[in-house]
Amino acid sequence: EVQLLESGGNLVQPGGSLRLSCAASGFTFSRYAMSWVRQSPGKGLEWVSLISGDGGSTYYADSVKGRFTISRDNSKNTVYLQMNSLRAEDTAVYYCAKLEGWTLPHFSPYFDSWGQGILVTVSS
Amino acid sequence: QTVVTQEPSFSVSPGATVTLTCGLSSGSVSTSHLPSWYHQTPGQAPRTLIYTTNSRSSGVPDRFSGSILGNKAALTITGAQADDESDYYCVLYMGSGNWLFGGGTKLTVL
Repeated sequence: EVQLLESGGNLVQPGGSLRLSCAASGFTFSRYAMSWVRQSPGKGLEWVSLISGDGGSTYYADSVKGRFTISRDNSKNTVYLQMNSLRAEDTAVYYCAKLEGWTLPHFSPYFDSWGQGILVTVSS
Repeated sequence: QTVVTQEPSFSVSPGATVTLTCGLSSGSVSTSHLPSWYHQTPGQAPRTLIYTTNSRSSGVPDRFSGSILGNKAALTITGAQADDESDYYCVLYMGSGNWLFGGGTKLTVL
């Protein structure tokens, strides 16, 4: 059974930094791209970032580009989200998600498993 | 800036059929956007319903189906049940690793 467990959420002041972790189990971690998706209180889902299985390719939403960095340690089955220069509008529950279908030859990606989410609050 | 559009809310009677849609503020949704659908109840993580336009995720009842209707992706629930009451989100793949979620549809079954 796929399990994704986020950690590292906290209350942080504007301009501060935080690192989220997502520990994965139940699948061959290095074979799958991983993503972070967030949800502001009472709002919809917003894709944040994605990293390929080997960590060689990373992608970011415009709203976080230059401030957030996604990375992974395949020896620890963990994906990270380093968040710098945090703003009030980054306040959200952050979900870790596993992508199925990211690789060729049958490129047909979608988010097939989700963690329970972790709350990040940016406030003074 | 491109936005993915969904009905903010929808109401359906038990046993009826409802179709939720997912469009683009500029342009048409096609299968190349690999539309997928997720549902979420308050306080819970999203759960995958439909992927690559019309494939059902494991364990999803066959009364959920996906399609392209005109210039939008669509999620149809045939024979709505009380526990289908949820928020429904579509997401489109925009290329170059980027994804766009719709704002979600709050479905009420009454």
